[in-house]
This record gives sequence, structure tokens and C-alpha cells, in this order.
Amino acid sequence: DTAVSQTPKYLVTQMGNDKSIKCEQNLGHDTMYWYKQDSKKFLKIMFSYNNKELIINETVPNRFSPKSPDKAHLNLHINSLELGDSAVYFCASSQGFGRAGTDTQYFGPGTRLTVL
Amino acid sequence: AQSVTQLDSQVPVFEEAPVELRCNYSSSVSVYLFWYVQYPNQGLQLLLKYLSGSTLVESINGFEAEFNKSQTSFHLRKPSVHISDTAEYFCAVSDYGGATNKLIFGTGTLLAVQP
Repeated sequence: DTAVSQTPKYLVTQMGNDKSIKCEQNLGHDTMYWYKQDSKKFLKIMFSYNNKELIINETVPNRFSPKSPDKAHLNLHINSLELGDSAVYFCASSQGFGRAGTDTQYFGPGTRLTVL
Repeated sequence: AQSVTQLDSQVPVFEEAPVELRCNYSSSVSVYLFWYVQYPNQGLQLLLKYLSGSTLVESINGFEAEFNKSQTSFHLRKPSVHISDTAEYFCAVSDYGGATNKLIFGTGTLLAVQP
């Protein structure tokens, strides 16, 4: 059983399109995250939700909109895709109810987005 | 603002040799420290973390890291590496006493183990 799963694994699309990436965790965690990993492997947090509430919202273009229908799912919708959005996007989850800052985060396998 | 520096982007090493991957952090507050590993084409996995107590922390696969507050470092070591240890290793920090589990990652070090 996959703990944190993402779909699709690969996404190739044209500039200007709108696309979504889905994430699901079956660990019973309260907190979920979206990270962007660029071509140099640098990993940066984008968003975090705790029990469907947005708790981290980094400086990300408003073309990116996370949606959490329930605490097991956190989807990422991207409007008007640009070349610079090409990256690997990772979803992660953590317990979210211990002391803040101490959680182990469990990562999904990633979605490689290529914008042409 | 916090930051993490991993000076070595790539560390080549022969199998069964010892290795050290360096990590330094900058923070105006106390931090928690983590090492995550990313095997090829996979997501990250926690290797070990320092929260409090003993400054030496160990993982189940033979890695260890030592928190050094005076040098603001959290270097990762293994006395004898295997081919299967080839991966990207990321050091990360989070706020002690912060409100979230936000992690700040370093730029990663590729450990390339050669036969």
C-alpha cells in the first residue's frame, strides 16, 4: 500500500494550459504539503494544509491554487502554465498534532511537470 | 531567516570507504535538524533527525549525524558506504517553537558510490 500517492507521475503540456495534480495519503495524517523541486534539485515548500485549513502559503504565483477536499487529499491546480513551472512537484504529509517543527514528513513519488 | 548550506554538491566515494556530508545552518532561534534521502526517481525519506537530547543521532542503516551548536553544523557520516547508498541527501531545519512544520532545505549533496 502506497502511503502518499500522486497522480499523474508525468505531465507534459503546452504553455497557457490549466492542469491539476492530485495527492492522497492513507496514513491518517492531519497535515499535507506541496513542494516544488527545480532542475537543480532545490526543494521549496509551496503550501501546507492542516485539517483542510491553509497554514503555510509561501510566495507562490496566484496561478497556483491548492484545494483540500478532506484531510486525506490535497490537490494542486495550476492555471496558465508557464515554462518556468516545469519542475518536479512533491506532495508530503505528516502527523500534524505533535510539537510544531518536529514532524517527520512522508513524501510522495513526485509529479514531473514539463511545460512546452 | 533560516538557511541551510550544503557546500558539496557531489561527493564521489569508493564502496566501503567512509564518507561525511557537510551541513551548516543559520538561524536566529533554536532549530530542529533533519537529513532526508532521495533515491533516484523517488520521493524523499527521512534518514534521521535531531530534536533534543543526545547530540549524536543514528539511522537504522548505519548513518549518524552530530549536532554541533557552536559550529551550527549537522554533518552526516557513515563509516563504510555501499553502492545502494548512492542517492541525493538533503539537510533541513525547522523552527523550534514555531507554529508549523515548515522545513527549509539545503541544495542537496549527491553521494555517488563507486565499486
